[in-house]
Amino acid sequence: AQKVTQAQTEISVVEKEDVTLDCVYETRDTTYYLFWYKQPPSGELVFLIRRNSFDEQNEISGRYSWNFQKSTSSFNFTITASQVVDSAVYFCALHSGNTPLVFGKGTRLSVIA
Amino acid sequence: KAGVTQTPRYLIKTRGQQVTLSCSPISGHRSVSWYQQTPGQGLQFLFEYFSETQRNKGNFPGRFSGRQFSNSRSEMNVSTLELGDSALYLCASSLVLAGEAQYFGPGTRLTVL
Repeated sequence: AQKVTQAQTEISVVEKEDVTLDCVYETRDTTYYLFWYKQPPSGELVFLIRRNSFDEQNEISGRYSWNFQKSTSSFNFTITASQVVDSAVYFCALHSGNTPLVFGKGTRLSVIA
Repeated sequence: KAGVTQTPRYLIKTRGQQVTLSCSPISGHRSVSWYQQTPGQGLQFLFEYFSETQRNKGNFPGRFSGRQFSNSRSEMNVSTLELGDSALYLCASSLVLAGEAQYFGPGTRLTVL
C-alpha cells in the first residue's frame, strides 16, 4: 500500500531562517510520482513540484529546493531565507499505479517576522 | 488559462438534507478528482473520474456520489447529511496521463448544522 509520512506536524521559524520539511514515502511500485503542495490560509492547494521515480536530480526554484533520495524513500523540501508569505500547510503526496493520489498529513509552517 | 472553479464556495445545510457541489476543470483536463478535508482526518480521497467514468472511489459511504459530464465538468452529491460531513471539499483536475500534477480549485466549505 502507498503511504506518505510527514512527521513534522508544526514548525515555527523566524523570518530569514532556512527550514526543511520532511517527507517519507512507501510504495512497492518502481514507477511513481511525488508531489509537494502548499495550502495557504485561503484553503486552495497550490501545486509546487512533481518528481518521477526515475529522476533523482535535486531541483531548485528560487528559494525552494527539493531533495529526492530513493535510498531513504525521502523527498524533502527546503525553503531558504523564509518569509512570512511562506506560512502555510505543506503537503507531500504520492501517486503510483492505478491508485489515487495519497497525501501526507501535512506540516504547518509558521514564519514569524 | 482559467483554473479549476468550484461552486458554491460556501454552504450551510442542516442534518438530513442533501447537497450538490460543482466543479469545472481546467480546459483540456479530462480527469477530475474530489477530496474531503477535515482537521481530524486530513485530505481524504473521494472519487476520480475520467471521460464520464469513475476510475477510483475512496472509502466513503454510499451517501457520497458523483458524476462527470461529457464536457468534463463534475458534480458530487451528498445525501442525508450528517454533522460529520462538515468539511472543505476540494476538486482537482489533471491531464489524461497518470502521474500528472493535479490542480486544485478553491474548495467548497460545507457546514452541516
